[in-house]
Amino acid sequence: KNEVEQSPQNLTAQEGEFITINCSYSVGISALHWLQQHPGGGIVSLFMLSSGKQKQGRLIATINIQEKHSSLHITASHPRDSAVYICAVRERGGADGLTFGKGTHLIIQP
Amino acid sequence: ETGVTQSPTHLIKTRGQQVTLRCSSQSGHNTVSWYQQALGQGPQFIFQYYREEENGRGNFPPRFSGLQFPNYSSELNVNALELDDSALYLCASSLDRRYEQYFGPGTRLTVT
Repeated sequence: KNEVEQSPQNLTAQEGEFITINCSYSVGISALHWLQQHPGGGIVSLFMLSSGKQKQGRLIATINIQEKHSSLHITASHPRDSAVYICAVRERGGADGLTFGKGTHLIIQP
Repeated sequence: ETGVTQSPTHLIKTRGQQVTLRCSSQSGHNTVSWYQQALGQGPQFIFQYYREEENGRGNFPPRFSGLQFPNYSSELNVNALELDDSALYLCASSLDRRYEQYFGPGTRLTVT
């Protein structure tokens, strides 16, 4: 069973700061997802990665398959980025459901 | 294009009762996954349906069951409700089994 660990669990930063959220997992995967969850529950998929790096606007996601580690970066953070960020993985050869981390609760203060 | 929808939004049930939650997939998607999210925790995989067949199941007892219909909408049924079943239930649809998943807004179930 894959163990997905995220750090930090909680992060408070000032507007404009560069943010990094980390995710590590224990078993080989076929894909890693970064998701954003706002209060009230709605989840939005930000990235699906199997290698390398992806960028969307101010968001950058990287993955190192050999080290079983991924990072989500937010540049020029803004209060509207405040949300819970969740890392989830799909195991290689396993069921197609995702295994989730507990999430990182991010607050960006103006 | 319509996104993933779930009904109802909120539900209160009594221990021992049965509940049915519904999910409409995004247009063109043939795969639906269901997740349970307890307060303060990450979601847990319940099961996935692909083209009307169960395609994988997480560590949930048989009283959690599901269906997928020919139009690829889906139901999650929970029998003999327990207090610990109180959670946010999320469904996610995808174009195929291993594609990106698009989540619905969730159904918040409270069991008293």
